[in-house]
Amino acid sequence: KAGVTQTPRYLIKTRGQQVTLSCSPISGHRSVSWYQQTPGQGLQFLFEYFSETQRNKGNFPGRFSGRQFSNSRSEMNVSTLELGDSALYLCASKSLTTEAFFGQGTRLTVV
Amino acid sequence: GEDVEQSLFLSVREGDSSVINCTYTDSSSTYLYWYKQEPGAGLQLLTYIFSNMDMKQDQRLTVLLNKKDKHLSLRIADTQTGDSAIYFCAVNQNNNDMRFGAGTRLTVKP
Repeated sequence: KAGVTQTPRYLIKTRGQQVTLSCSPISGHRSVSWYQQTPGQGLQFLFEYFSETQRNKGNFPGRFSGRQFSNSRSEMNVSTLELGDSALYLCASKSLTTEAFFGQGTRLTVV
Repeated sequence: GEDVEQSLFLSVREGDSSVINCTYTDSSSTYLYWYKQEPGAGLQLLTYIFSNMDMKQDQRLTVLLNKKDKHLSLRIADTQTGDSAIYFCAVNQNNNDMRFGAGTRLTVKP
């Protein structure tokens, strides 16, 4: 059974640009959550999607958005990038009866 | 306040025991988890405990749960340098959502 796949693994963008990150969950998992991890703030919840609907949302500005497709794959988008958006972005997938499984993450560097 | 809280840093000497603490707010949580993140990797499930248990032991790991105080801890006996990592506490909510703490960075000094 394939694990959670995040692409790309590494990304460098300049301030003001926008970026789209992708997450393919474990087959059969309908819940996909996104997290931002930084050394200073630790792991912070961005949002969760379930069956193509945003079910929960963390305390992040509107520049951070996401969506989920009918095959449960999810994307998150960050517009008007700021230096402080540099972080490891982690995706986790979950079924109703299992714990969360994480991808390796996408490391975004904003210069 | 946050649903799940844990301190960000812990430093111990090799051979000592490490205790990582976590507090949570949702008393209906039925499963409580500890995840480990090694450098450059995603989070991996380390161990978990059901809410009807007080303690779970797995080799060098001991999980203690105090439901009254909503306090969860992870004890690592005979801590090794290879245990250096970030440890995350997580609880499931009554609607099956999972909430994670920010993570505790454990540094093991030789």
